[in-house]
Amino acid sequence: GESVGLHLPTLSVQEGDNSIINCAYSNSASDYFIWYKQESGKGPQFIIDIRSNMDKRQGQRVTVLLNKTVKHLSLQIAATQPGDSAVYFCAENGPNNDMRFGAGTRLTVKP
Amino acid sequence: KAGVTQTPRYLIKTRGQQVTLSCSPISGHRSVSWYQQTPGQGLQFLFEYFSETQRNKGNFPGRFSGRQFSNSRSEMNVSTLELGDSALYLCASSLDPGRGLYFGPGTRLTVT
Repeated sequence: GESVGLHLPTLSVQEGDNSIINCAYSNSASDYFIWYKQESGKGPQFIIDIRSNMDKRQGQRVTVLLNKTVKHLSLQIAATQPGDSAVYFCAENGPNNDMRFGAGTRLTVKP
Repeated sequence: KAGVTQTPRYLIKTRGQQVTLSCSPISGHRSVSWYQQTPGQGLQFLFEYFSETQRNKGNFPGRFSGRQFSNSRSEMNVSTLELGDSALYLCASSLDPGRGLYFGPGTRLTVT
């Protein structure tokens, strides 16, 4: 069936470096995508979203890129900080307006 | 504006019992979704409610049910608990279906 998946389960970066977290989706009809951050013991936290009529959206230190041709979504975090250490999930909104999540990538920031 | 709240935060039950979890959405949000999160399966969609009606349902057995009240608050119920139901149950609300989801802290259910 249709699913959202992530390329890498773990990512380790040095503090101050840029991080790139990737996500592949398979439902070409999905029109809305969101990145979430989940810290230990907490629920997922909304980071940034993007609609399918855009290919890039920037927030504070974060950028989401959408490549509909290859059905790929990425989250870029600039100047990664220790507080960015968490699990990151991508989610897609399918044609039935149901939000489905990828498996998650654990980002570890080394001081 | 207060965030999504869930009660209780932690719960321990034994096999065969039933449990009810509660969720209060962000004020003004009309859609409430429930997810089960486990280390092995990740975030799995349970169901979504909008205007007191179930809009979507994930691939879970009938032991899992839910409802939404007129004030948008929602409850989910799991009957005849199994060990495999041990998980973090997350509630999320949004203004309308298909909009950004805002999650609560979750209820950690342990079935022994």
